[in-house]
Amino acid sequence: DAGVIQSPRHEVTEMGQEVTLRCKPISGHDYLFWYRQTMMRGLELLIYFNNNVPIDDSGMPEDRFSAKMPNASFSTLKIQPSEPRDSAVYFCASRLDRGYTFGSGTRLTVV
Amino acid sequence: AQSVTQLGSHVSVSEGALVLLRCNYSSSVPPYLFWYVQYPNQGLQLLLKYTSAATLVKGINGFEAEFKKSETSFHLTKPSAHMRDAAEYFCAVSEGSGSARQLTFGSGTQLTVLP
Repeated sequence: DAGVIQSPRHEVTEMGQEVTLRCKPISGHDYLFWYRQTMMRGLELLIYFNNNVPIDDSGMPEDRFSAKMPNASFSTLKIQPSEPRDSAVYFCASRLDRGYTFGSGTRLTVV
Repeated sequence: AQSVTQLGSHVSVSEGALVLLRCNYSSSVPPYLFWYVQYPNQGLQLLLKYTSAATLVKGINGFEAEFKKSETSFHLTKPSAHMRDAAEYFCAVSEGSGSARQLTFGSGTQLTVLP
């Protein structure tokens, strides 16, 4: 199994642009999580899905953030418009039973 | 609500010395507890997990952790540090009814191993 795959690994964009982060979970995992990691706030849960349905998006910081999971093998996290304070590493994780697996993350820099 | 406190944001040990990274948790129900390691510019890798079975949990790379309910602790140890152990370590707790168990992470401990 290739694990959780995130793309791109690095993204540099200008303030105001739309950014889309992508995640392919492990096949068969029924939960998918999006986390954000910053120096100031550590690892924060943004949103999670169960069987492609968003369950809890209370961690999404603002309406500029949105996430979708159109099918069991793909999820996106979109920021529109992006701001410099959105710069962080964004992790996707998938889970089956008690086992979480994290992707390698997308390092987003908004200039 | 669940929470995790990691004591010491930075820990330095000499190569070959004991590694002790501290983690205390708060949970209203029996928790699942995890330790993850993050190497520079990489994702999170699971070291070990406690899910209500044996209280002493052995993980990868020679690490182990002991769940102590009376102390609400889940400290990570390794008898002899190696240079390759230098990384950031995160303790995490997971609780919730049924299968709705999202992870809440501590703030992390950066481990430095001195030659």
